[in-house]
Amino acid sequence: SYELTQPPSVSVPPGQTASITCSGDKLGHKYVCWYQQRPGQSPKLIIYQDSQRPSGIPERFSGSNSGTTATLTISGTQTVDEADYYCQAWDNNNVIFGGGTKLTVL
Amino acid sequence: EVRLVESGGGLVQPGGSLRLSCAGSGFSLGDYTMSWVRQAPGKGLEWVSAIGGYGGSTYYAPSVKGRLTISSDNSKNILYLQMNSLRVEDTALYYCAKQGNYDSTGFDHWGQGTLVSVSS
Repeated sequence: SYELTQPPSVSVPPGQTASITCSGDKLGHKYVCWYQQRPGQSPKLIIYQDSQRPSGIPERFSGSNSGTTATLTISGTQTVDEADYYCQAWDNNNVIFGGGTKLTVL
Repeated sequence: EVRLVESGGGLVQPGGSLRLSCAGSGFSLGDYTMSWVRQAPGKGLEWVSAIGGYGGSTYYAPSVKGRLTISSDNSKNILYLQMNSLRVEDTALYYCAKQGNYDSTGFDHWGQGTLVSVSS
């Protein structure tokens, strides 16, 4: 079965750039979405179709996808960005989520 | 405003059954592919099942196929998940989620979740 691999945790100082990766076989041939989940809240879509931001998502969030790796980049990271982040793709009519990455801003 | 409200969760013994509901408002449920996604305590997101618009094709994760059934009543704008032969490992917060206009647009709205606990 298809798998998406994310690092369990990433740390970044406030104001710096955070990069969260998501790896999978030929992932660049699939569309990837990213979700943010703050503690006690439901997931929130922050990137779709690899690099598109839904209305209301700050410009500091960006995405890319090529080869076997998709990357979520958060520029000028703020303390409010501290959350769990999940990548997601489709494989043969199945929805696949990555294991999630806990972003710590300190 | 799009809103999704889940209900029907609770405590059930292994082998038991539950039916989850997800009431949608602010949009026509039949116009979109809808999914159930679960999250075990302290764990990540796991997609469970999806149903195409207007009760179209249904899809299931291998871990639930044959035990869980997704359906919808578009006249009531409600999504369902019938859960049979429940196992301890089905314990999770179950979210319903609406997809955008295309699969690639992702899950653009989520409910607050309903908790299912399977324990003897």
